[in-house]
Amino acid sequence: SQQGEEDPQALSIQEGENATMNCSYKTSINNLQWYRQNSGRGLVHLILIRSNEREKHSGRLRVTLDTSKKSSSLLITASRAADTASYFCATGGTDKLIFGTGTRLQVFP
Amino acid sequence: EPEVTQTPSHQVTQMGQEVILRCVPISNHLYFYWYRQILGQKVEFLVSFYNNEISEKSEIFDDQFSVERPDGSNFTLKIRSTKLEDSAMYFCASSETLLNYGYTFGSGTRLTVV
Repeated sequence: SQQGEEDPQALSIQEGENATMNCSYKTSINNLQWYRQNSGRGLVHLILIRSNEREKHSGRLRVTLDTSKKSSSLLITASRAADTASYFCATGGTDKLIFGTGTRLQVFP
Repeated sequence: EPEVTQTPSHQVTQMGQEVILRCVPISNHLYFYWYRQILGQKVEFLVSFYNNEISEKSEIFDDQFSVERPDGSNFTLKIRSTKLEDSAMYFCASSETLLNYGYTFGSGTRLTVV
């Protein structure tokens, strides 16, 4: 069964707007990670939030984690055209990461 | 910044042929992985490798697949007899023991089986 599912599947916004993506997972976790994938490229690690953390920031990224609801959100503030990519949440550890289905974000200039 | 390097970037092979996909992980990383992504679909875990042995593998990673770390730098994925459904992007990744910086992925090898 799938560990992570992102919502929405696709999101289109204008430059300068904020983008929010959500991730739900099924089993207990030690941490949750977010990755970005530009079309046809590899995945790039964005941020890791541990199970005892509720919120984490990195530049224009803000991640929240609610372990009681088994969900996380990724907020990109003041989006840019260069943020256009697919975003994936992932759970797991050094044995493996299981990725969600991803959200395709399109930012129009 | 350290990178995970994958070669070739694109490989076309005939059904039934063997292919070897190559990866050079980051030198001080201890954990190595292969993932695949069929076009437009999700990223699927294949196998993880630590201390010169497989630590975990998925159902996809059947007897047709094998991994090897033949020397101190390379990490390879071999598909013995390729099928049409093996066509996908294959990503190598590596990580440190502490996951503060997540996995580092290579740019991938696009495998096309014809």
